[in-house]
Amino acid sequence: LAKTTQPISMDSYEGQEVNITCSHNNIATNDYITWYQQFPSQGPRFIIQGYKTKVTNEVASLFIPADRKSSTLSLPRVSLSDTAVYYCLVGDRGANNLFFGTGTRLTVIP
Amino acid sequence: EPEVTQTPSHQVTQMGQEVILRCVPISNHLYFYWYRQILGQKVEFLVSFYNNEISEKSEIFDDQFSVERPDGSNFTLKIRSTKLEDSAMYFCASSEGALYGYTFGSGTRLTVV
Repeated sequence: LAKTTQPISMDSYEGQEVNITCSHNNIATNDYITWYQQFPSQGPRFIIQGYKTKVTNEVASLFIPADRKSSTLSLPRVSLSDTAVYYCLVGDRGANNLFFGTGTRLTVIP
Repeated sequence: EPEVTQTPSHQVTQMGQEVILRCVPISNHLYFYWYRQILGQKVEFLVSFYNNEISEKSEIFDDQFSVERPDGSNFTLKIRSTKLEDSAMYFCASSEGALYGYTFGSGTRLTVV
């Protein structure tokens, strides 16, 4: 499993766009990049997954450069309810397990 | 939106006692998992289950742990003789297939006293 590095914490004001970058220098050819969100005392929630370039869904966008050694989760116009821990995971989509790092604790300020 | 349901939400047990944590995965999902998160620490993989057998387990999942899918809808985690260090949030998850994102339940907070 590729090791990931992300900022421990970030603060943002309501209404701003938030970009959380994750580095994964040792990503393998078969690896996908997946982001999960976790609120206190709840299970992680799948946000988005991608392999290269850009992926967008109703919640977020995921930008992956050509070398795939990093990725950026973009949350448009955050609200207070987006305060959570965000995890970047890298691994084979067929893997039987997920490896969670320490994640990025995002705090949205009014 | 379909949910993974876990019961109970909170369980307190005495050290040495057996506990069973219950999960109802999403009905059309084929892959099932248990994870745990000790307070303030990372989410850790315990075991994955597919086609009525364990497909992978971590070092944490020792002989004290077992999983079962007794009736085609429930998925249970049993800890035979609980230890203080088993205190954690236990999350059940399921997925439609190995290539899809997981859906996690809200967890069972296990407190061993």
